[in-house]
Amino acid sequence: DTEVTQTPKHLVMGMTNKKSLKCEQHMGHRAMYWYKQKAKKPPELMFVYSYEKLSINESVPSRFSPECPNSSLLNLHLHALQPEDSALYLCASSQDTGYEGYEQYFGPGTRLTVT
Amino acid sequence: AQKITQTQPGMFVQEKEAVTLDCTYDTSDQSYGLFWYKQPSSGEMIFLIYQGSYDEQNATEGRYSLNFQKARKSANLVISASQLGDSAMYFCAMREPYNYGQNFVFGPGTRLSVLP
Repeated sequence: DTEVTQTPKHLVMGMTNKKSLKCEQHMGHRAMYWYKQKAKKPPELMFVYSYEKLSINESVPSRFSPECPNSSLLNLHLHALQPEDSALYLCASSQDTGYEGYEQYFGPGTRLTVT
Repeated sequence: AQKITQTQPGMFVQEKEAVTLDCTYDTSDQSYGLFWYKQPSSGEMIFLIYQGSYDEQNATEGRYSLNFQKARKSANLVISASQLGDSAMYFCAMREPYNYGQNFVFGPGTRLSVLP
């Protein structure tokens, strides 16, 4: 099973809402990632979890809050978002972060619209 | 500084012909990996092919091959016998295993359109 699942596929939320994006993989991978992708741009790395610990935080605004309940699950909690946060949010996993040959497997993404 | 450069924002190719998508990269590491991903309009990123920095042979996966020229720091993707379903965005990416700040970096992408 080489599948990464993400829910929901589409999300429309107001700026005062709180919502969560969910990601799950069953490949036994120990690294999971959140990316943000604006239209016609490459994905931008937001968070990396390696062995369930946050490895990096690229100064992403605090209105995005990641959570890794276990090695198979990754959540992204959203609160007080801005319209410019509207984007495709991609989750990915890889076997590890320490070897250059580990490809990332991506989920289908969540298309988020902030109104 | 941009680590991955893809100089072709858009490319057109006739169905059944071959096409080369360019990618150059910048790293001071000796150990790194290079990847190509395809992103159709649906949004999902699909892994195509991988080349390790120590691999002496060019990687191949079906109709995809990677023209790896280490000294020139280029890793061009060659798609043979293009099909209509190949129309998509193509991203070149690099992994530097110990650079946690930029562990997996994508280039700006090339939009490929296959013409019938």
